[in-house]
Amino acid sequence: QKEVEQNSGPLSVPEGAIASLNCTYSDRVSQSFFWYRQYSGKSPELIMSIYSNGDKEDGRFTAQLNKASQYVSLLIRDSQPSDSATYLCAVKRAGGSYIPTFGRGTSLIVHP
Amino acid sequence: EAQVTQNPRYLITVTGKKLTVTCSQNMNHEYMSWYRQDPGLGLRQIYYSMNVEVTDKGDVPEGYKVSRKEKRNFPLILESPSPNQTSLYFCASSRDREGNQPQHFGDGTRLSIL
Repeated sequence: QKEVEQNSGPLSVPEGAIASLNCTYSDRVSQSFFWYRQYSGKSPELIMSIYSNGDKEDGRFTAQLNKASQYVSLLIRDSQPSDSATYLCAVKRAGGSYIPTFGRGTSLIVHP
Repeated sequence: EAQVTQNPRYLITVTGKKLTVTCSQNMNHEYMSWYRQDPGLGLRQIYYSMNVEVTDKGDVPEGYKVSRKEKRNFPLILESPSPNQTSLYFCASSRDREGNQPQHFGDGTRLSIL
């Protein structure tokens, strides 16, 4: 059974702080990892994708992947109220399966 | 503008009345998929397609059908809808035919089956 686990939250941080979102996965053969942001009632939109161990930075966002420990995280620096949303972690295993598995999401609240 | 378009956006219907939710993408993507999203359960894949005439079941296919006759279109068919299919549905597409690349999502269809 493929599983992707996220803390449902809500995670509440003050404006300007660093928000840290975590995701663990059970399938050791996973090779593609995604973070999506979803505002209430809206569709998911891609924030970051990461495929190899280490950090990947894009503006205020940093994705961190550790395949040995089977976790992927998303850091949001200088958090803004507009970052308040649910963040979905998605994991796709290497060949043989074409179905990405989504976590249930972490709700982030950035308060002024 | 690159987009995935779903219709209708909202639908209220009754048990047993066949319905189709259309999905179209203009990015020439190989991979298309349908998800349903329910509170507490997250996004679950219903069906996916790797190319024209190639479709396969996702994690929750029961009660749904799909077809992929053209690369751009991937309709979701509920032949005999039931109340447990009340949900928020998303169509998505991906450049990579195996789903290893990020997915682009449509705006969603909120479906209520009475």
